[in-house]
Amino acid sequence: DVKVTQSSRYLVKRTGEKVFLECVQDMDHENMFWYRQDPGLGLRLIYFSYDVKMKEKGDIPEGYSVSREKKERFSLILESASTNQTSMYLCASSLIVRSSPLHFGNGTRLTVT
Amino acid sequence: SQQGEEDPQALSIQEGENATMNCSYKTSINNLQWYRQNSGRGLVHLILIRSNEREKHSGRLRVTLDTSKKSSSLLITASRAADTASYFCATEDGTSGSRLTFGEGTQLTVNP
Repeated sequence: DVKVTQSSRYLVKRTGEKVFLECVQDMDHENMFWYRQDPGLGLRLIYFSYDVKMKEKGDIPEGYSVSREKKERFSLILESASTNQTSMYLCASSLIVRSSPLHFGNGTRLTVT
Repeated sequence: SQQGEEDPQALSIQEGENATMNCSYKTSINNLQWYRQNSGRGLVHLILIRSNEREKHSGRLRVTLDTSKKSSSLLITASRAADTASYFCATEDGTSGSRLTFGEGTQLTVNP
């Protein structure tokens, strides 16, 4: 079974801090994704990556950046955390570009105070 | 942008009953997928149905797709308390590759 591991389940950070959310997958998947999930808004795509060192903006990239230096690892970076970035962050991976199920990690619940 | 919209937002049934959730979308799609999320956890993939398929089964799950109406339904038969979760549809449109767009989900509660 594919395992997608997010480094933290819960994280509390202060406004203005630089925050790193880490995600690792163990099945050599090409594609990796970062979503945030908020009540009433569903899942929204922040960034995704089809290959190492490659990244594409999703629907809500503002205030975020990503890094993919190795195939198995995809990091989400909040350059200067703000309270409106308090959310559940979900990482996912998929094997191929089209018609491929997403495999999700268990999520990181980030609170910015 | 939201593509899929689930209906109803919440559903409460008794164990043993069937649960039906619906999803509507706006643009043409390559496929539609259903996911389940237990409280506080990540999403788990349930089933993928391609645009040229009309019905698909997996265990107690039955998914239908009507591309003329741009809608899909997920039926869970003989529900169990362990089926209590949120269920999401996600669409892969014809131009964005594997980029999925999720709806807001249906919260299903199965009472023992």
